[in-house]
Amino acid sequence: QSALTQPASVSGSPGQSITISCTGTSSDVGGYNYVSWYQQHPGKAPKLMIYDVRNRPSGVSNRFSGSKSGSTASLTISGLQAEDEGDYYCYSYTSSNTVVFGGGTKLTVL
Amino acid sequence: EVHLLESGGGLVQPGGSLRLSCAASGFTFSSYTMSWVRQAPGKGLEWVSSIGSSTYYADSVKGRFTISRDNSKNTLYLQMNSLRAEDTAVYYCAKRLWEVLNGIGPFDIWGQGTMVTVSS
Repeated sequence: QSALTQPASVSGSPGQSITISCTGTSSDVGGYNYVSWYQQHPGKAPKLMIYDVRNRPSGVSNRFSGSKSGSTASLTISGLQAEDEGDYYCYSYTSSNTVVFGGGTKLTVL
Repeated sequence: EVHLLESGGGLVQPGGSLRLSCAASGFTFSSYTMSWVRQAPGKGLEWVSSIGSSTYYADSVKGRFTISRDNSKNTLYLQMNSLRAEDTAVYYCAKRLWEVLNGIGPFDIWGQGTMVTVSS
């Protein structure tokens, strides 16, 4: 149950777009379309932003989008806003009938 | 409104035990897989355990932690035995998005978390 690989940090200016990658294996990200993304602000509980690779829960801005190619999933945030700053975690179902999170990416809005 | 409220955290010595609770409201608790996810200080999220029609555990807690639920009380539990320093974390309970009891996630509703500190 090794954690999925995410960049430690990404940054962007307001209005720009950024992409966060999440790399796994054929036993998790590459094998299933059960990838989710969570946003976490300091001291707060995580919030579901994307599920099943590309679906947004009700209430999540359409500035957030997800995709997957092979064993790498991606979260793209367009029109970056100050409130987007925080930590982002990817998540995947695994062939062991468990789930695994990525190590997390700190997004800084410059 | 859907709500999850964890309790039971605290300071415990290595080798000790603790039981966490998560009180649920605002949804049909018995119809959803429920999970525990933890976050060590300054670290990332780590899935711990889930319970639906079956129970599931991370390798790091298998044999030491036991997940259970009381649907009559709308409450989720995590019994933690043989605690280690590396179990120190905020423990969140989380509800599955889908109203089914097979499978684990994704998690659409999270509690505010309860802190567990394992130290002598």
